[in-house]
Amino acid sequence: KAGVTQTPRYLIKTRGQQVTLSCSPISGHRSVSWYQQTPGQGLQFLFEYFSETQRNKGNFPGRFSGRQFSNSRSEMNVSTLELGDSALYLCASSLYTGNTEAFFGQGTRLTVV
Amino acid sequence: AQTVTQSQPEMSVQEAETVTLSCTYDTSENNYYLFWYKQPPSRQMILVIRQEAYKQQNATENRFSVNFQKAAKSFSLKISDSQLGDTAMYFCAFMRTFQGGSEKLVFGKGMKLTVNP
Repeated sequence: KAGVTQTPRYLIKTRGQQVTLSCSPISGHRSVSWYQQTPGQGLQFLFEYFSETQRNKGNFPGRFSGRQFSNSRSEMNVSTLELGDSALYLCASSLYTGNTEAFFGQGTRLTVV
Repeated sequence: AQTVTQSQPEMSVQEAETVTLSCTYDTSENNYYLFWYKQPPSRQMILVIRQEAYKQQNATENRFSVNFQKAAKSFSLKISDSQLGDTAMYFCAFMRTFQGGSEKLVFGKGMKLTVNP
């Protein structure tokens, strides 16, 4: 069965713009988590969605938001982009919230110029 | 708050040799899981092995095994018979669990492993 699909794979945006990243989890998985990966800060948790509800949120400013649709697909949005938002954004899917087996996508590489 | 420390930023090993990657963590929780993830150049994080904190027996997955020392809060990964395809970044991670749910994965900074032919 298909793995976790993240689109787009690469993205270049200008400071001040906004961006939307998409994540399609493995079929049947209902929990989606997002992580930001940067060389300086490493991997940091953004948020988790399960059954269209945000279950957990990391320590990121309000410019970072997300949502989950009824088919479990998730989007994350970053508004008013800053140079420091340049990162690899990884999505992970699990069968349900609390499941310890998470499957990651290949990420979206966002570059803010 | 939980923290995960990987003190070795980089290691190299010859093909077919054995290598051990170290990880320490800090938590006051009793219920948690520990993980090793591999991130090859393709960028996809791949679960290598996981360990439940309440299980005393060390987890093993083919060539990968862990040495879990709960009292010392140490969780090292041993890779036997290293292969070129093992070349990747390796991340140690912690996840607190509770009835009906779990929290986020907390990752270490990672360690770059290079397997040389």
